[in-house]
Amino acid sequence: QVQLQESGPGLVKPSETLSLTCTVSGYSISSGYYWGWIRQPPGKGLEWIGNIYHSWSTYYNPSLKSRVTISLDTSNNQFSLELSSVTAADTAVYYCARVMSYRPYYFDSWGQGTLVTVSS
Amino acid sequence: DIQMTQSPSSVSASVGDRVTITCRASQDIDSWLVWYQQKPGKAPKLLIFAASSLQSGVPSRFSGSGSGTDFTLTISRLQPEDFGTYYCQQANSFPPLTFGGGTKVEIK
Repeated sequence: QVQLQESGPGLVKPSETLSLTCTVSGYSISSGYYWGWIRQPPGKGLEWIGNIYHSWSTYYNPSLKSRVTISLDTSNNQFSLELSSVTAADTAVYYCARVMSYRPYYFDSWGQGTLVTVSS
Repeated sequence: DIQMTQSPSSVSASVGDRVTITCRASQDIDSWLVWYQQKPGKAPKLLIFAASSLQSGVPSRFSGSGSGTDFTLTISRLQPEDFGTYYCQQANSFPPLTFGGGTKVEIK
């Protein structure tokens, strides 16, 4: 059974870079599926950030594309999110998830989520 | 981008009631629509994929229907554990993948 776990700082200063890692167990991230990040500001809805498929296919939300990088670390079975130039609007619970690699593109397994607060 | 619009934004119903939530896509997404349930402080949980296919382990009181632009999630007999917020998501194309705004279900 696949399990995902987010890790990283819970507090980031404005204008700095948010960095999170998702550690996957029970499934090899090299074996197919997209791997993705979703966020949820406190009290609000879900926003897709982006997906990665192997190391050469990344897809980002156009609203965040200029600030987002998602990468894979197959040796440690992890994938990562970097979001640069953060502001208070980036305060959210960040989830990592496994994503189907063909239609329908849904998130079938999720991490528990990690709250990242942007504040000085 | 494909916009997803859910209604109502909230519903309060009694145990045993039938609850219906609708989701409308801004363009034709065939049957590529999924539904999630989210409880407070928890990650969303997949309920239904491909508009009407029940995820393994999900009670049969949950059902989905629709195609094209209009979709429905129905809880046939509401149970106390069904409280939470329900989200639809278009699963047809990305970027971006998009979610509806959510429907909060409360038990009277």
